[in-house]
Amino acid sequence: GDSVTQMEGPVTLSEEAFLTINCTYTATGYPSLFWYVQYPGEGLQLLLKATKADDKGSNKGFEATYRKETTSFHLEKGSVQVSDSAVYFCALSLGSSNTGKLIFGQGTTLQVKP
Amino acid sequence: GAGVSQSPSNKVTEKGKDVELRCDPISGHTALYWYRQSLGQGLEFLIYFQGNSAPDKSGLPSDRFSAERTGGSVSTLTIQRTQQEDSAVYLCASSLVGGANTRETQYFGPGTRLLVL
Repeated sequence: GDSVTQMEGPVTLSEEAFLTINCTYTATGYPSLFWYVQYPGEGLQLLLKATKADDKGSNKGFEATYRKETTSFHLEKGSVQVSDSAVYFCALSLGSSNTGKLIFGQGTTLQVKP
Repeated sequence: GAGVSQSPSNKVTEKGKDVELRCDPISGHTALYWYRQSLGQGLEFLIYFQGNSAPDKSGLPSDRFSAERTGGSVSTLTIQRTQQEDSAVYLCASSLVGGANTRETQYFGPGTRLLVL
């Protein structure tokens, strides 16, 4: 079935370090891909998205490129800040489902230390 | 403008009791989704509404779970005869159109944290 796999956390980095969170997916069609973020005590919010192959989503210094050949959507940031500490979820949405429902990865906790 | 709101924010109940969770989507959003976030299962889809109808209920874990939406707006998720395994955070999301338009962003509410004792 359709699924999303994320690298296991927690990921602990020092401030200004480079961040990569791996995400791969399995889908029967051509999904849209999303990264959502959940800051401590807050709800899920969209970080970025890409809706077709080779698209790059970007926001707040984060980037992810939709790679159809490797079925991946890895999240990167060149220099993390303490305020980036949160749980990050990779997700896909399939048009073939006719619902737009999101299928999520298990989430990756990022902790950034000063 | 106002985002998605949910109530109550926290609910503690005893095993076997019924609970109702409420979601107020963003005004004008026709699509509404319920998800569940639990330690063991991560984030799972429960049900999708388009207007007042629910074309996809495939994620509801048992017949103790039901949901309705009225006036194309507010939705209520009801859990009957709650069990301890129902303990989780229940999230509601809305989007403008939903359905096969997968490019749309879903906007999430803060969730209802349910604890079944």
